[in-house]
Amino acid sequence: SYELTQPPSVSVSPGQTANITCSGDQLGDKYVSWYQHRPGQSPVLVMFQDNRRPSGIPERFSGSNSGNTATLTISATQALDEADYYCQAWDSSAVVFGGGTKLTVL
Amino acid sequence: QVQLVQSGAEVKNPGASVKVSCKASGYTFTDYYIHWVRQAPGQGLEWMGYINPDSGGTDYAQKFQGSVTITRDTSISTAYMDLSRVRSDDTAIYYCARLFETQSRYFDLWGRGTLVIVSS
Repeated sequence: SYELTQPPSVSVSPGQTANITCSGDQLGDKYVSWYQHRPGQSPVLVMFQDNRRPSGIPERFSGSNSGNTATLTISATQALDEADYYCQAWDSSAVVFGGGTKLTVL
Repeated sequence: QVQLVQSGAEVKNPGASVKVSCKASGYTFTDYYIHWVRQAPGQGLEWMGYINPDSGGTDYAQKFQGSVTITRDTSISTAYMDLSRVRSDDTAIYYCARLFETQSRYFDLWGRGTLVIVSS
């Protein structure tokens, strides 16, 4: 079965840039979505189709996907960006989530 | 208001079944697939399966085939996730999510989640 691999944690200082990676075999041939998940809340879509932001998501969020790696980039990171982030792709009709990355802003 | 409203928390004994509902409002229920995703304590998101509310067709993650049944009642715009023979490791928050499909597919709307606790 298809697998997506994320680093368990990423730390960033406020105002700096955070890069969260997601790796999978030939991932660049698939579309990747990213979800932000804060404790006690529902997941929120922050990126779809590799690099498209839903309405309401700040321009600080951007995405890329090439080769075997997709990346979610958060520029000028703020304290409110602290959350778990999950990449997601499709393996035919099956949904695949990465293991999640805890973003700490300190 | 476009939303998915899930049923309340459940506490079940091991071996019992649990049924979680997900009521859609603010859009045409049959226009979008509904998927179910769970998160166990300290774990990541885990996809369980989906239903096509229009046809009733379903598909399940291999792990959940035989233990999960997803159904719907179009008259009340509600999808259901039925998990049978629950065990302690089924303790989790269960989410329903709407699939938006254009050039790509993604989950644009999520329910608030339903906590299911399995404990004797």
